[in-house]
Amino acid sequence: EDQVTQSPEALRLQEGESSSLNCSYTVSGLRGLFWYRQDPGKGPEFLFTLYSAGEEKEKERLKATLTKKESFLHITAPKPEDSATYLCAVRRGVYGQNFVFGPGTRLSVLP
Amino acid sequence: DAGVTQSPTHLIKTRGQQVTLRCSPKSGHDTVSWYQQALGQGPQFIFQYYEEEERQRGNFPDRFSGHQFPNYSSELNVNALLLGDSALYLCASSLKSSGNTIYFGEGSWLTVV
Repeated sequence: EDQVTQSPEALRLQEGESSSLNCSYTVSGLRGLFWYRQDPGKGPEFLFTLYSAGEEKEKERLKATLTKKESFLHITAPKPEDSATYLCAVRRGVYGQNFVFGPGTRLSVLP
Repeated sequence: DAGVTQSPTHLIKTRGQQVTLRCSPKSGHDTVSWYQQALGQGPQFIFQYYEEEERQRGNFPDRFSGHQFPNYSSELNVNALLLGDSALYLCASSLKSSGNTIYFGEGSWLTVV
């Protein structure tokens, strides 16, 4: 059964303190690993899609990497505005919008 | 470029009532899906619509139904509301031919009392 887990559940960082979030997945044939950011009371905002092991993508202070069983979201020198819940997801099936989401990591960056 | 829009933003219903939520997809998108997100959890897939038909469905009871209109907009209907239906309901859209990334709206907060 397709499954996504994320760790840690919550993370508190000081401004400028770099760290990584983990997403572990089990899926029969990966067709994309997706990262989203979600602010409280808002819908998820798309960040990255990764397709194959070894792939990396960057956006400002965020870098996403992918292995055969995990993805990491590295946050370099975070700022308070990076505080949010970060969700990862995999697609269930060959096509379509049936995504399996993890529970998210709630990131707080303190000034 | 208009993103995914949803209405209403918030609503309160009584147990046993029925609710209809609405969604307009991102400009140029033709495929719409609905997700339920309980507090502190990740979104859960309810169903997907393409060409006005339900194409995929998650593990939700028949009380959850939907519709897609010729202009690609969509409705989610939930009958016989239960307290456990209280959640953020998210609509997502994509262009089927491009496959992959789905984009979410801001959601509709449903509280059942």
